[in-house]
Amino acid sequence: QQQVKQSPQSLIVQKGGISIINCAYENTAFDYFPWYQQFPGKGPALLIAIRPDVSEKKEGRFTISFNKSAKQFSLHIMDSQPGDSATYFCAARALGDSNYQLIWGAGTKLIIKP
Amino acid sequence: KAGVTQTPRYLIKTRGQQVTLSCSPISGHRSVSWYQQTPGQGLQFLFEYFSETQRNKGNFPGRFSGRQFSNSRSEMNVSTLELGDSALYLCASSPNGEGYTQYFGPGTRLTVL
Repeated sequence: QQQVKQSPQSLIVQKGGISIINCAYENTAFDYFPWYQQFPGKGPALLIAIRPDVSEKKEGRFTISFNKSAKQFSLHIMDSQPGDSATYFCAARALGDSNYQLIWGAGTKLIIKP
Repeated sequence: KAGVTQTPRYLIKTRGQQVTLSCSPISGHRSVSWYQQTPGQGLQFLFEYFSETQRNKGNFPGRFSGRQFSNSRSEMNVSTLELGDSALYLCASSPNGEGYTQYFGPGTRLTVL
């Protein structure tokens, strides 16, 4: 099943709080899981990524948690700031007909309230 | 290196017309992918080109087509525009299209009246 299910669709968090966005997948052949961040008027940009042989990856205030057995991965934003307000997409790398491609989640619009 | 550029940035067309969007990838990148983004629909994959060949195609009607030139620049064309084609069209490039980091342009905002 070439799908990545992302939730919630939108999220409001107070400044300083923890933002958590979840993604789930079925295809155990996925081998790379990136998160992209998109600000209004811009294209998405890679934020952080993880491979399935690692359970957690942290870069500054951003952490990916990966649960291989549950086929789920999540993005945690610690000490959330108004500047983190953006749309976040999870994705997974899959082998298509002839080459690898990214399968995208539906996106989460995150609003951080001052 | 210069980033991915897309032209035009904004476009207004009427139903039934056709439109061509252009994308210049990062220098040295051979893979170009196109996406349609609408509110609530996320990123819908249109197609990917690598070395002038279409390698992957999403689930869009034949009105949507594309091509890639020898310098890796890419164009996408939408014929017989419909109101539902109003969207942000994003282009992304990557060195070899191996499914790792994609570098997105700012998009072309198409409005169909």
